[in-house]
Amino acid sequence: QKEVEQNSGPLSVPEGAIASLNCTYSDRGSQSFFWYRQYSGKSPELIMSIYSNGDKEDGRFTAQLNKASQYVSLLIRDSQPSDSATYLCAVNPAYTGTASKLTFGTGTRLQVTL
Amino acid sequence: EAGVTQSPTHLIKTRGQQATLRCSPISGHTSVYWYQQALGLGLQFLLWYDEGEERNRGNFPPRFSGRQFPNYSSELNVNALELEDSALYLCASSEGLGEYNEQFFGPGTRLTVL
Repeated sequence: QKEVEQNSGPLSVPEGAIASLNCTYSDRGSQSFFWYRQYSGKSPELIMSIYSNGDKEDGRFTAQLNKASQYVSLLIRDSQPSDSATYLCAVNPAYTGTASKLTFGTGTRLQVTL
Repeated sequence: EAGVTQSPTHLIKTRGQQATLRCSPISGHTSVYWYQQALGLGLQFLLWYDEGEERNRGNFPPRFSGRQFPNYSSELNVNALELEDSALYLCASSEGLGEYNEQFFGPGTRLTVL
């Protein structure tokens, strides 16, 4: 089982719709979770971080975390063509003082169609 | 505020040579992370430095090494280059120890090994 799993996509949504991106992780003790957006040929850009169960909203983005189900998701409302990119889920495993690092999923490619 | 910077943007080497990649973190950040993103693969954690010390290391051979300088900038060295080392090398920085610290990426160095 991969440590962080994402559906590779592509996920195709029409402009203006809600895009839902999902991620599961294997380390039950994980404490922090991040969503990055990566345009082709560019480096990842942090768009959301979430640490507690529930929802966290920032503009058109909402991150959802369910630690019991080991599941984190990202919702993008009113999707725009400029949202077309690969979205990477990253998890920081249980912190032991010297082990802090991010484990990334392979990403979900989102295509927003006109 | 300036972001993470990396140099060079592109680097072309031949098998067996050594490559040196450089990274300057965001001002005030003490932790520097190195990741490898090979074509078709996800981001793989390489190294983590904080306050001049190597804090953690990913599953890479010893020919991948680095250091962090007193000004918190960092260098990644790859010795005895192999063809499969061709990848985008990404540097990220964060405010320091702690699993809640967000990591911000630089633009990357694309290494091509011929």
